[in-house]
Amino acid sequence: AQKITQTQPGMFVQEKEAVTLDCTYDTSDPSYGLFWYKQPSSGEMIFLIYQGSYDQQNATEGRYSLNFQKARKSANLVISASQLGDSAMYFCAMREGNAGGTSYGKLTFGQGTILTVHP
Amino acid sequence: DSGVTQTPKHLITATGQRVTLRCSPRSGDLSVYWYQQSLDQGLQFLIQYYNGEERAKGNILERFSAQQFPDLHSELNLSSLELGDSALYFCASSVAHRVTDTQYFGPGTRLTVL
Repeated sequence: AQKITQTQPGMFVQEKEAVTLDCTYDTSDPSYGLFWYKQPSSGEMIFLIYQGSYDQQNATEGRYSLNFQKARKSANLVISASQLGDSAMYFCAMREGNAGGTSYGKLTFGQGTILTVHP
Repeated sequence: DSGVTQTPKHLITATGQRVTLRCSPRSGDLSVYWYQQSLDQGLQFLIQYYNGEERAKGNILERFSAQQFPDLHSELNLSSLELGDSALYFCASSVAHRVTDTQYFGPGTRLTVL
């Protein structure tokens, strides 16, 4: 089973509008972290936002917010007021840990969503 | 700029050869991770080091090896290269190994095997 599922291969949005990128995850660990990364065409991976499994509130970082619905195991990224520079590939990733919050190892990534912002 | 540096940025080599990719983590970060990104496999975790010791292994081939040195920089060695090893190789670092620790990625090394 896929640990991280991003069902939208591509998304289009008009400049200045908001867009939601979907991410669902699968884990039985009580402690985990969810991350979103942006990969522009230049190739680097840029960290955007983090949500912990025990966090009571949705994470926000500037124009980025995370719509965390734990019961549904979803962690959707919301980008408000889209800009042309937001055009990129976006990856959702999860890091699983034990009950003590220790985690050795990997981020598991989804397949990504290509976002195109139109002027 | 994430603070993670990787060299070289591009590498072109032939099948059967051996290459070494180098990574310097962000100042203060003790964990280093290596990932491979290819079109068919996506982003795959290879290996993690924490303060010089191997901590976790992912889908790393036996032809590949890595180490983390006392100054915390890391090297990924790829040998007997095959065409299918062509990919973007990322190094990432984090402060420690907690679930909450964000991994910051370097710019990557693009390896092309001809």
